[in-house]
Amino acid sequence: QQQVKQSPQSLIVQKGGISIINCAYENTAFDYFPWYQQFPGKGPALLIAIRPDVSEKKEGRFTISFNKSAKQFSLHIMDSQPGDSATYFCAATIINTPLVFGKGTRLSVIA
Amino acid sequence: DGGITQSPKYLFRKEGQNVTLSCEQNLNHDAMYWYRQDPGQGLRLIYYSQIVNDFQKGDIAEGYSVSREKKESFPLTVTSAQKNPTAFYLCASSIGQTDTQYFGPGTRLTVL
Repeated sequence: QQQVKQSPQSLIVQKGGISIINCAYENTAFDYFPWYQQFPGKGPALLIAIRPDVSEKKEGRFTISFNKSAKQFSLHIMDSQPGDSATYFCAATIINTPLVFGKGTRLSVIA
Repeated sequence: DGGITQSPKYLFRKEGQNVTLSCEQNLNHDAMYWYRQDPGQGLRLIYYSQIVNDFQKGDIAEGYSVSREKKESFPLTVTSAQKNPTAFYLCASSIGQTDTQYFGPGTRLTVL
């Protein structure tokens, strides 16, 4: 119930392409869904987040798509750049409980 | 500068020794967390604290201990009871539990 399943585990995308990372959850009480970006040897940093009252949120090249009925949400990175190469984590939480993280996706953007 | 600091960045210890990892924040956040990161395992919650003098076990608390005597500090002790302590340890804080978590730079612990 508390798991967040993330896929794929790793992803290779050509420069300029679209990177898509997917997450699925079971607990319908989750009400906050952030994505974190982590570069090697660094701590994760919040990239973008969404709440279930909207189906999409866009910030620059990064978009979260949220499908409440399917209990899925995804991160789309448009015009992917080598500087986007990092590990991405999705997460979910209910009020007054800690974040539950997916296992991460290692993205490599190649020129 | 506001933020979370973790020290040291790299730590080496002999098997059987306890070791304490430091985490300090000057963001005036109430909640603080410790995570362990292993390759392919994502972030696993060790302990978290919502307020001073109170903390709760996370998913993998066995072999670890914490204290929260001050709002800005949340040290983690890795005890000799932790069977496989070599990992990357991350500290985080947030205003409340469901707010954005801000992570420190991490401490890489290697037990020889």
